[in-house]
Amino acid sequence: AQSVTQPDIHITVSEGASLELRCNYSYGATPYLFWYVQSPGQGLQLLLKYFSGDTLVQGIKGFEAEFKRSQSSFNLRKPSVHWSDAAEYFCAVGAPGGYQKVTFGTGTKLQVIP
Amino acid sequence: EAQVTQNPRYLITVTGKKLTVTCSQNMNHEYMSWYRQDPGLGLRQIYYSMNVEVTDKGDVPEGYKVSRKEKRNFPLILESPSPNQTSLYFCASSVGGGADYNEQFFGPGTRLTVL
Repeated sequence: AQSVTQPDIHITVSEGASLELRCNYSYGATPYLFWYVQSPGQGLQLLLKYFSGDTLVQGIKGFEAEFKRSQSSFNLRKPSVHWSDAAEYFCAVGAPGGYQKVTFGTGTKLQVIP
Repeated sequence: EAQVTQNPRYLITVTGKKLTVTCSQNMNHEYMSWYRQDPGLGLRQIYYSMNVEVTDKGDVPEGYKVSRKEKRNFPLILESPSPNQTSLYFCASSVGGGADYNEQFFGPGTRLTVL
């Protein structure tokens, strides 16, 4: 069965600083990988996704993520954080070629300080 | 506007009183899912549907029912709610087939409190 681990429950960064949110997955083959963002009181919005090909994927709002098969990781990065990036971020893994089964991590809450 | 809608957005009820949370999407998506979100547990899938009249259990189906009689609607039914079903519920949909089927579009959420 697939699983996702987000080891950081809460992260605080200064506005303008770089950001990296960690995500590790467990799956027998190359999975589909996603990052979603949830702003306070809102539903989830897809930031980016990886299915195959180039392991560095670009998303919306200036985010990128890199798939590293050897480390079973899919970390999310942003070079310069804005106050509006304060939100909760979820990594998710899906099973290719199968039915609709997506497993979410427990989330990382990002706080941005001036 | 392409969207997933849920109703109600907020609901306070009492133990044992049957309730239904509606979900509707206007994107002609084949796949629909229900999740619950609890602090420290992330999102857990309750049920999903691959198409009309095709549903299956997710990770936490106990105490819930679903139906998919029309493509656009996927209601979540709590026949006898209990306090441990107090949670934030999300409906999601995704297009069927191909590599993009996993990309889900989420509704705004329904906050349910069972007293």
